[in-house]
Amino acid sequence: GAGVSQSPSNKVTEKGKDVELRCDPISGHTALYWYRQSLGQGLEFLIYFQGNSAPDKSGLPSDRFSAERTGGSVSTLTIQRTQQEDSAVYLCASSPRPGTGTDTQYFGPGTRLTVL
Amino acid sequence: AQSVAQPEDQVNVAEGNPLTVKCTYSVSGNPYLFWYVQYPNRGLQFLLKYITGDNLVKGSYGFEAEFNKSQTSFHLKKPSALVSDSALYFCAVRGSARQLTFGSGTQLTVLP
Repeated sequence: GAGVSQSPSNKVTEKGKDVELRCDPISGHTALYWYRQSLGQGLEFLIYFQGNSAPDKSGLPSDRFSAERTGGSVSTLTIQRTQQEDSAVYLCASSPRPGTGTDTQYFGPGTRLTVL
Repeated sequence: AQSVAQPEDQVNVAEGNPLTVKCTYSVSGNPYLFWYVQYPNRGLQFLLKYITGDNLVKGSYGFEAEFNKSQTSFHLKKPSALVSDSALYFCAVRGSARQLTFGSGTQLTVLP
């Protein structure tokens, strides 16, 4: 079946602009995660959604970052007033309902964000 | 807090030889351990995981990993390396929190 999809695949923006990154999880997966991969910081957790529960935002680096998940499916990560240090690959992952014993996270191809 | 260490940034091995990519972890409670592989300009691809049970876990493409609780290690292995195995490999741990904590990655190069 279809995997996790992300759009756009590449985004170039100017410092100070806002950007939106989209993630479509695997159908039926209730959990959705955002991670960031950068040269200096490696792979970092950003935010986690599980069903209708309040998201775990503990990894968001600043209040310029926010995310929402509509209808328990598609998620959008928004970065306001982008800075050059926001340049990274943003990865989305989804997993089946926790506790099913198959709690593996499956990743999308990522969005490469470049802030000029 | 949970953490993962991959002590080798780079591992080189000749095609046909066995390969090992090292990983040690620190986590409170029972560890859930994962290996992912990343090819250039691609996302992370799941290889295998340890949740409970047998310490030797078999995964995709002939890879396996051995969980060692006393040494807090989860090394990735393959009996016979292929040139196509050349990629970036990440070890990850999940404890009580749902998110994964990743190691810094190991670049594997298999030489023909």
